[in-house]
Amino acid sequence: SQTIHQWPATLVQPVGSPLSLECTVEGTSNPNLYWYRQAAGRGLQLLFYSVGIGQISSEVPQNLSASRPQDRQFILSSKKLLLSDSGFYLCAWARGAPINEQFFGPGTRLTVL
Amino acid sequence: EDKVVQSPLSLVVHEGDTVTLNCSYEVTNFRSLLWYKQEKKAPTFLFMLTSSGIEKKSGRLSSILDKKELFSILNITATQTGDSAIYLCAVTTSYDKVIFGPGTSLSVIP
Repeated sequence: SQTIHQWPATLVQPVGSPLSLECTVEGTSNPNLYWYRQAAGRGLQLLFYSVGIGQISSEVPQNLSASRPQDRQFILSSKKLLLSDSGFYLCAWARGAPINEQFFGPGTRLTVL
Repeated sequence: EDKVVQSPLSLVVHEGDTVTLNCSYEVTNFRSLLWYKQEKKAPTFLFMLTSSGIEKKSGRLSSILDKKELFSILNITATQTGDSAIYLCAVTTSYDKVIFGPGTSLSVIP
């Protein structure tokens, strides 16, 4: 069966510090991978998605970046965090073409102080 | 720009009431519409809709899609306190992009 891992579960970082959130998927190959951010009580904002290694589509121009160094690994990064980067970050995977359902990781709660 | 809109954004009902949640969309190369329920952390999948007019049903929940008018509704009958959650609508495209709406926060009070 497939599982998706995200870490860390919670993170408190000062403004201006770097960020690296990792997401890995097990039990499937060549998944589509997605990063979302969710503000409190709100919907999911699509940040990046990837349909293959090294292929990243960016949806929201900002100080975040994403990389996919391996087939089942998706990393969200920032060189300098802003207060507005606080939120709940969710990674998801899906079998592409066509997508029937996305499977979400447990999420990372990021607080930037 | 691809867009998914949900209404209402929040709703408070009493147990036993029936609720209808709305989702409308404007996207390029629509493929499917997904409904999720989010209680505390990760969203959980409810329905996938691809064809107009065909109702999907699971217990007290049902959903239908209108591809001509570009919207979907999610109905919950005989609501229970356990239905309290954020309900998310998402649209997928032929480029494997998945766009979520802002969600409807439903509170069911005893």
